[in-house]
Amino acid sequence: DVKVTQSSRYLVKRTGEKVFLECVQDMDHENMFWYRQDPGLGLRLIYFSYDVKMKEKGDIPEGYSVSREKKERFSLILESASTNQTSMYLCASSLYSDRVAKNIQYFGAGTRLSVL
Amino acid sequence: ELKVEQNPLFLSMQEGKNYTIYCNYSTTSDRLYWYRQDPGKSLESLFVLLSNGAVKQEGRLMASLDTKARLSTLHITAAVHDLSATYFCAVDMSGGYNKLIFGAGTRLAVHP
Repeated sequence: DVKVTQSSRYLVKRTGEKVFLECVQDMDHENMFWYRQDPGLGLRLIYFSYDVKMKEKGDIPEGYSVSREKKERFSLILESASTNQTSMYLCASSLYSDRVAKNIQYFGAGTRLSVL
Repeated sequence: ELKVEQNPLFLSMQEGKNYTIYCNYSTTSDRLYWYRQDPGKSLESLFVLLSNGAVKQEGRLMASLDTKARLSTLHITAAVHDLSATYFCAVDMSGGYNKLIFGAGTRLAVHP
């Protein structure tokens, strides 16, 4: 089974702190994604990466950055946390493939971040 | 810009009843996904729909796709409490990159 592991389930940070959210997948997937989930808004893509050291902005990248130094690990960075970044953050991974049967995103358990 | 709209956003159902969740999207897409999320848990893939007229079934859930109408439906047959969850549809236009646009989700509550 594919496993996507997020380093923390719950985090509480202060405004202005630098925050790192870590995600590791064990299935050699090329694609990795960071989403935030807010009630009534569904999942919104922050950043994604299709290869090591490659990254693309998603729909809401402002206030975030990412790092992918190794294929299995994708980090989301909040440079200076703000209260409006309080949310659930979900990491996902998938194969780079046009064979759709395999092209499913697998999600981690999520990190609930509170910024005070 | 691709938009994905689900309705209803909240659905309270009696056990044993049937109902349908709708997912409309605004531009042509290669594929459509349905995911389930239990409270406090992560998302789990239910169905992947590729082509016009595609139908997939798993237990009491059946998903279909009409690409001409840009509409997918998730039909629930004889609901049971275990189906209580939030259901998301998501659309992929990006080919191998698998970049998905999600709907807002439908929270389903099944009660006796």
